[in-house]
Amino acid sequence: QVQLQQSGPGLVKPSQTLSLTCAISGDSVSSNSAAWNWIRQSPSRGLEWLGRTYYRSKWYNDYAVSVKSRITINPDTSKNQFSLQLNSVTPEDTAVYYCARVEGSSSWFKNWFDPWGQGTLVTVSS
Amino acid sequence: QSALTQPRSVSGSPGQSVTISCTGTSSDVGGYNYVSWYQQHPGKAPKLMIYDVSKRPSGVPDRFSGSKSGNTASLTISGLQAEDEADYYCCSYAGSYTPYVFGTGTKVTVL
Repeated sequence: QVQLQQSGPGLVKPSQTLSLTCAISGDSVSSNSAAWNWIRQSPSRGLEWLGRTYYRSKWYNDYAVSVKSRITINPDTSKNQFSLQLNSVTPEDTAVYYCARVEGSSSWFKNWFDPWGQGTLVTVSS
Repeated sequence: QSALTQPRSVSGSPGQSVTISCTGTSSDVGGYNYVSWYQQHPGKAPKLMIYDVSKRPSGVPDRFSGSKSGNTASLTISGLQAEDEADYYCCSYAGSYTPYVFGTGTKVTVL
């Protein structure tokens, strides 16, 4: 059974960098049949897919257009986890952030999210 | 990419059926058979209830069913139970540019 455990600070100052980590158990961040995603949820923006990282002989990343200039998702194979960094945050980035897995194969994805991490409320405020 | 449109709320009595709609475009819901539905209780993470429009993961009661017609997908909960009271979100694949778009969410109330 795959489980995702999130960690990271709940308060970030405006203009600084939001950093979260998602630790994986029961699967591998380097799996050729999974992609590792970050999703956020806020009252103003609803659920919003932010991006993903996945390994298919090499590492790939895809990012949502809305955050593409500010986001980095990195795998950490030594700890079997992946991270989210969002730069230059504003109060608009206040949200609950989730990590989630999408299964797939070497050439396609199953287009649903399961499981999800427990969620981390990140507040951007001075 | 705009969010998929869902009704803000639906309600029903125990044992009744409710249906939640999820309206998109030909670029998302209408273009692919990759609609999924998630149940979210307060303070909890979303839980997968339906994938690929109408398939149920193991462990999800068969009271939950999904369908799609054109640009609109639907989730039906038959035999409504108290524990079904939650928020429900649809999600669709939307192409390689921004792969996933979510619905606006629907609160289901069991009267």
